[in-house]
Amino acid sequence: AQSVTQLGSHVSVSEGALVLLRCNYSSSVPPYLFWYVQYPNQGLQLLLKYTSAATLVKGINGFEAEFKKSETSFHLTKPSAHMSDAAEYFCAVRASGGSNYKLTFGKGTLLTVNP
Amino acid sequence: DAGITQSPRHKVTETGTPVTLRCHQTENHRYMYWYRQDPGHGLRLIHYSYGVKDTDKGEVSDGYSVSRSKTEDFLLTLESATSSQTSVYFCATQGRMNTGELFFGEGSRLTVL
Repeated sequence: AQSVTQLGSHVSVSEGALVLLRCNYSSSVPPYLFWYVQYPNQGLQLLLKYTSAATLVKGINGFEAEFKKSETSFHLTKPSAHMSDAAEYFCAVRASGGSNYKLTFGKGTLLTVNP
Repeated sequence: DAGITQSPRHKVTETGTPVTLRCHQTENHRYMYWYRQDPGHGLRLIHYSYGVKDTDKGEVSDGYSVSRSKTEDFLLTLESATSSQTSVYFCATQGRMNTGELFFGEGSRLTVL
């Protein structure tokens, strides 16, 4: 079984400030981890994914995340926020290997970027 | 872009009526999923399919059924809609690469009065 906890349902930052969105996971087997972004009235798009290769993963739009096994974390960061980053962000986990292709999502974090 | 089309995109219906949502994909992806999205709950898996006529339940399957008679179509049916099923429904497909990435449709907003 796997689960995801996203700390903070709403994060507000100023334009140009660091973005840090927190995600902790629970998994009984080595996980694959994902961050998705959802803009208003749209479906989810993949930002980045960790699939047991490099622990620091770079994604689209300048985002990156680091897999820390000891902390069971996969926090999402961006050095400098842009107004266009305002959206809802979802962390997700699935078990690596096997045939279980079900993703379990966190409850989401709404990012607001202030001018 | 996995070419996922959901229909209808918006629907308002009354309690007790049947509703069917359709998901159509053009990428020949084997795995397809139905999620619902509700404020404070994120996305929750309703049902999924791992091939034609092969489906299984997710975490919130009560009150829902699915069918997949062709690779490209995955139907979600609410036999008798209730107000608690007011939600945004997303279809997703699993790409060929075994890394778990899902591609999502634009969503179907259902309101049950």
